Amino acid sequence: DAGVTQSPTHLIKTRGQHVTLRCSPISGHKSVSWYQQVLGQGPQFIFQYYEKEERGRGNFPDRFSARQFPNYSSELNVNALLLGDSALYLCASSPSGNPYNEQFFGPGTRLTVL
Amino acid sequence: AQTVTQSQPEMSVQEAETVTLSCTYDTSESDYYLFWYKQPPSRQMILVIRQEAYKQQNATENRFSVNFQKAAKSFSLKISDSQLGDAAMYFCAYSGSNTGNQFYFGTGTSLTVIP
Repeated sequence: DAGVTQSPTHLIKTRGQHVTLRCSPISGHKSVSWYQQVLGQGPQFIFQYYEKEERGRGNFPDRFSARQFPNYSSELNVNALLLGDSALYLCASSPSGNPYNEQFFGPGTRLTVL
Repeated sequence: AQTVTQSQPEMSVQEAETVTLSCTYDTSESDYYLFWYKQPPSRQMILVIRQEAYKQQNATENRFSVNFQKAAKSFSLKISDSQLGDAAMYFCAYSGSNTGNQFYFGTGTSLTVIP
């Protein structure tokens, strides 16, 4: 079975630009979460979506937005990129979004902002 | 807010020996779940072990076990018979009943296994 997939693998942008990251969850999983992992740190929660509705939002500015599609795939959008947005962006899926669910992580998208 | 602290940025262990990674957390919730995830270099994060807070018995998965001290809010990971493939970043994570499936992660411990 395919795991969580993310695209693109790597991305280089300049300050002020916009970026869209994509995630496909494991088949049958209805919850998708996004995390930002800055080098040397643990992942920080950005968003959780379940059944196409936002279930949780972390402490990130409004420049960050996301959505989930009817097939449960998801996009993370970041506007007006800053140097500090450079990080590994992880997508994780789980069956129902309950707190006891294991989250299955994708390989991440490495975003570099110049 | 929930916080997760890993006080050991780096640890090393001889192959076949045992190592313990520390994790403490802070929460006001009574119902929560704790996880250890492993992130090998340039590879995906995978679950190592999970503990339900309402269970007193410590979780065990083959060579991996936890020491869960609820009153002390401590959740350490013990790796027995360490193998070269255990080398990775290890993250402790918390998920609470009031916060859905949002995970709070610690800063990680980099484990080196010495042949």
